[in-house]
Amino acid sequence: KQEVTQIPAALSVPEGENLVLNCSFTDSAIYNLQWFRQDPGKGLTSLLLIQSSQREQTSGRLNASLDKSSGRSTLYIAASQPGDSATYLCAVRRSSRAQKLVFGQGTRLTINP
Amino acid sequence: SQTIHQWPATLVQPVGSPLSLECTVEGTSNPNLYWYRQAAGRGLQLLFYSVGIGQISSEVPQNLSASRPQDRQFILSSKKLLLSDSGFYLCAWSMTSGYNEQFFGPGTRLTVL
Repeated sequence: KQEVTQIPAALSVPEGENLVLNCSFTDSAIYNLQWFRQDPGKGLTSLLLIQSSQREQTSGRLNASLDKSSGRSTLYIAASQPGDSATYLCAVRRSSRAQKLVFGQGTRLTINP
Repeated sequence: SQTIHQWPATLVQPVGSPLSLECTVEGTSNPNLYWYRQAAGRGLQLLFYSVGIGQISSEVPQNLSASRPQDRQFILSSKKLLLSDSGFYLCAWSMTSGYNEQFFGPGTRLTVL
């Protein structure tokens, strides 16, 4: 059974810092991994999707990496801003036929001005 | 561009009352559709998914049911709500081909009293 873990559960950093969020999964046989952002009381916003054959994906100040063999993904946020404050969730998909995403519990990120 | 709508945004219902939550997607055809529940301390859990009209798959046994009467409409229902049905319900969609990146709606906050 796939389990996804995100540590730490909460992180607080000053504005302008570069930071890394971690996601680990127990079964390396994944199809893809998706990073989301969730603001309080809101739905999820898809940030990046990495296919199992890819090593990383970039969008603006965000860079996500994937190391399947070690069961890890990281989300790198450059030059953090207060507007980046949110909960960040990662989710993995087992195969192209599997519809289910298995989510981590998320990391609640606070960027202090 | 594609958009996904959910309503109502919030709902307070007594135990034993019926439930109907609606989700619609615009700007795409024949999407895969999903219902997730986000309960405090339990993360996001896939409840149902649908790959076409009238085709519903259930991920977990529960007090809820889902229906897809039209291509871009997904409904979550219950005949009699339980206290444990409280939570944040999220609808999502993905393309049927390609990487199947999932995109989420704004959610419905359900409180059962």
